[in-house]
Amino acid sequence: DTEVTQTPKHLVMGMTNKKSLKCEQHMGHRAMYWYKQKAKKPPELMFVYSYEKLSINESVPSRFSPECPNSSLLNLHLHALQPEDSALYLCASSQDRAEYSNQPQHFGDGTRLSIL
Amino acid sequence: AQSVTQLGSHVSVSEGALVLLRCNYSSSVPPYLFWYVQYPNQGLQLLLKYTSAATLVKGINGFEAEFKKSETSFHLTKPSAHMSDAAEYFCAVTRMDSSYKLIFGSGTRLLVRP
Repeated sequence: DTEVTQTPKHLVMGMTNKKSLKCEQHMGHRAMYWYKQKAKKPPELMFVYSYEKLSINESVPSRFSPECPNSSLLNLHLHALQPEDSALYLCASSQDRAEYSNQPQHFGDGTRLSIL
Repeated sequence: AQSVTQLGSHVSVSEGALVLLRCNYSSSVPPYLFWYVQYPNQGLQLLLKYTSAATLVKGINGFEAEFKKSETSFHLTKPSAHMSDAAEYFCAVTRMDSSYKLIFGSGTRLLVRP
């Protein structure tokens, strides 16, 4: 069982829809991440939150909008997506701060997103 | 800057045979290295990590990896493959700057023949 829970597991949406992906962890981790993974490729980092503040945005288009309401929750709001945005979206969490950089990231099972 | 290279996008072994998945790293400082496994339609699961405590690292599901500084390698092995080991395997290194990002290799798909 994964300790990072993502909902929904699957999402189909049109290009004009607005939807949100949700991620939750209760391990006391203070860093949370969104990744995008295309088929047969490694995950690509999108955003990093550290202590509920956005610390890294990997030049992601504005149609993706992250939100971290509290230390356990991470959302990814989607609007006006393109067909090329179809992918597996993974959430992860880890301890934060430099002294914890040897700690692994824990991943959820992802949301499989399809844009029609 | 830290990076990892995984040699072989696909590795095929027979059930019961030795599994060897290759990973070479590039780092100017002692790296933190990880192996993750991804089963179909799932997220990434940590197999093992190297954090300089010991060069031979044992992980879950019978996997282990040996850190060899002289060869800048961190290859993943398992003495006897099982059908359930069929998956995608990613080697990763922590980027040792203020971002502490995880840098992934391109991945190796392990196929296990009956």
